[in-house]
Amino acid sequence: QIQLVQSGPELKKPGESVKISCKASGYTFTDYAMHWVKQAPGKGLKWMGWINTYTGKPTYADDFKGRFVFSLEASASTANLQISNLKNEDTATYFCARFSTVAHYYVMDAWGQGASVTVSS
Amino acid sequence: EIVLTQSPTTMAASPGEKVTLNCLASSSVSYMNWYQQKSGASPKLWIYGTSNLASGVPNRFSGSGSGTSYSLTISSMEAEDVATYYCLQLSSYPPTFGGGTKLELK
Repeated sequence: QIQLVQSGPELKKPGESVKISCKASGYTFTDYAMHWVKQAPGKGLKWMGWINTYTGKPTYADDFKGRFVFSLEASASTANLQISNLKNEDTATYFCARFSTVAHYYVMDAWGQGASVTVSS
Repeated sequence: EIVLTQSPTTMAASPGEKVTLNCLASSSVSYMNWYQQKSGASPKLWIYGTSNLASGVPNRFSGSGSGTSYSLTISSMEAEDVATYYCLQLSSYPPTFGGGTKLELK
């Protein structure tokens, strides 16, 4: 079955960096784009951008340009999110989500369990 | 960017009650997807293409709408339906989520 398994919780200080991984299984990794979604504590979902898993090209939402980097380890069916120069407002759970089509409709049909990042001095 | 406004923000329903959640788009979209997120869990695809139930979703759920107005309806509320529901539009770039409706049991 399709699974996205994300890395564990992280506790970081402001100014540090963090790398979150999302390992896919149960399908051909390069056939589906991977999207990233942020959820701050007690808040809603915010789309961060996506990465083309075939070409490796990332696309970032406006609010996530600069300190955020999407990357791949395609041989390991893994997508990564790296955040540099962490700020308190980066405290959140970050989800990876597979982008697919169902009956000609675009969907995010499989989600990772979420990776919690806490930024605190 | 299309802004999605969900209403109500929070609501409580009694078992057996009919529930309607709304999602209003700032511009017309072709279709709407809905996600269910239970506390501490990741979102699950619930309804896609406005009115199609995802695999495993009980048929007491339904979706409808067009243009700028979409809704998710539960014909008869059950305890397991307690969750936050988000609408997501993918027909216009960039993708945008609604703010969510938290559904509680009365």
